[in-house]
Amino acid sequence: NAGVTQTPKFRILKIGQSMTLQCAQDMNHNYMYWYRQDPGMGLKLIYYSVGAGITDKGEVPNGYNVSRSTTEDFPLRLELAAPSQTSVYFCASSSPNYGYTFGSGTRLTVV
Amino acid sequence: AQKITQTQPGMFVQEKEAVTLDCTYDTSDPSYGLFWYKQPSSGEMIFLIYQGSYDQQNATEGRYSLNFQKARKSANLVISASQLGDSAMYFCAMREVNSGGSNYKLTFGKGTLLTVNP
Repeated sequence: NAGVTQTPKFRILKIGQSMTLQCAQDMNHNYMYWYRQDPGMGLKLIYYSVGAGITDKGEVPNGYNVSRSTTEDFPLRLELAAPSQTSVYFCASSSPNYGYTFGSGTRLTVV
Repeated sequence: AQKITQTQPGMFVQEKEAVTLDCTYDTSDPSYGLFWYKQPSSGEMIFLIYQGSYDQQNATEGRYSLNFQKARKSANLVISASQLGDSAMYFCAMREVNSGGSNYKLTFGKGTLLTVNP
């Protein structure tokens, strides 16, 4: 099915470990986003990209890094995981004249 | 200041009745879009309805309608004939386009948890 694919769906990390959350879309959307959702809260923007090779910080970028080498892929890197990064992470993509498509989310726990 | 405000942390409605979920927004951009998403307990984000700032008529999608009052900067979601499956978290979100026309970030409110009672 066309859309946004996130992997993994669940992950438990130990404090100080690193990991990459994968995000891929097959709709040829230029715009891609990473959001985090803390319990009982709305989504907050971590990083976004307006095209391959172009990324920018969102509202809560500290502790994360991104890259966009292709239109399809937008991985999110966590370096030195901290308990404050326990959250559900959503990747999304959009094009100017269409709505947003969200992935199914990655539930991350840092212990 | 918050860009999207949802003042109702929780709402209850009887099955088959209508319910209104409130959303106010703050922007100085003349061009913007307003979205409503549903998040059931399974966690996925489901798009419900969209209203553009220049749209003359209120958006409707099946049982969902958006009561758009531009002067008041409000974009309330109305769900008619509530069903048990409507029980979920509902998020209002706004897309602003920056002066260069290249920024399409969504800003979300904190959400309203709707419970539909049988």
